Amino acid sequence: DTGVSQNPRHKITKRGQNVTFRCDPISEHNRLYWYRQTLGQGPEFLTYFQNEAQLEKSRLLSDRFSAERPKGSFSTLEIQRTEQGDSAMYLCASRNTGMNTEAFFGQGTRLTVV
Amino acid sequence: GDSVTQMEGPVTLSEEAFLTINCTYTATGYPSLFWYVQYPGEGLQLLLKATKADDKGSNKGFEATYRKETTSFHLEKGSVQVSDSAVYFCALTNQAGTALIFGKGTTLSVSS
Repeated sequence: DTGVSQNPRHKITKRGQNVTFRCDPISEHNRLYWYRQTLGQGPEFLTYFQNEAQLEKSRLLSDRFSAERPKGSFSTLEIQRTEQGDSAMYLCASRNTGMNTEAFFGQGTRLTVV
Repeated sequence: GDSVTQMEGPVTLSEEAFLTINCTYTATGYPSLFWYVQYPGEGLQLLLKATKADDKGSNKGFEATYRKETTSFHLEKGSVQVSDSAVYFCALTNQAGTALIFGKGTTLSVSS
């Protein structure tokens, strides 16, 4: 299967701990996106990368959040000092450059902060 | 800013019924419009898209027409199946064309 892969699928952490999620995009895709989805809501854009460059960040991405995409391959999303409000599904998507190219989504990482 | 509004769910239908899920949008410029579907336990999948006014996207019996005059992109299917039960998301590209903006999603439940 050469789809978008996210790990872990589920993460339970105590408030105040740091967590890191990983996304492996489709190999030939140069754009990679992170979204957050809470219950009953659609995915909300967090940030995106073109190759290794982080080109856009949503105001939802507080300074406790950081994302990287070293060498333009896989990406990590780290949340420091987690809060209960961070509990959500974190989705990764990848696509090629172009206005109308399809974005392919991973199955997401469900974070629960207790 | 750009936004998408979908009809509230859940939508509950019997097999072979006609489906409409309403979607309207607010956007600057001329966004591309999409419908994504999320089946239970799976990731989001592109169902169909339309890139300019009056375009009709279609896939798996679903259709949606890009209506610029009413800023709408309603999803329709003539005869739903139990396997269509899922959450459906309407989305558009943001002004820069770099990311998708999603509606809240509409849950469809089809019974036999």
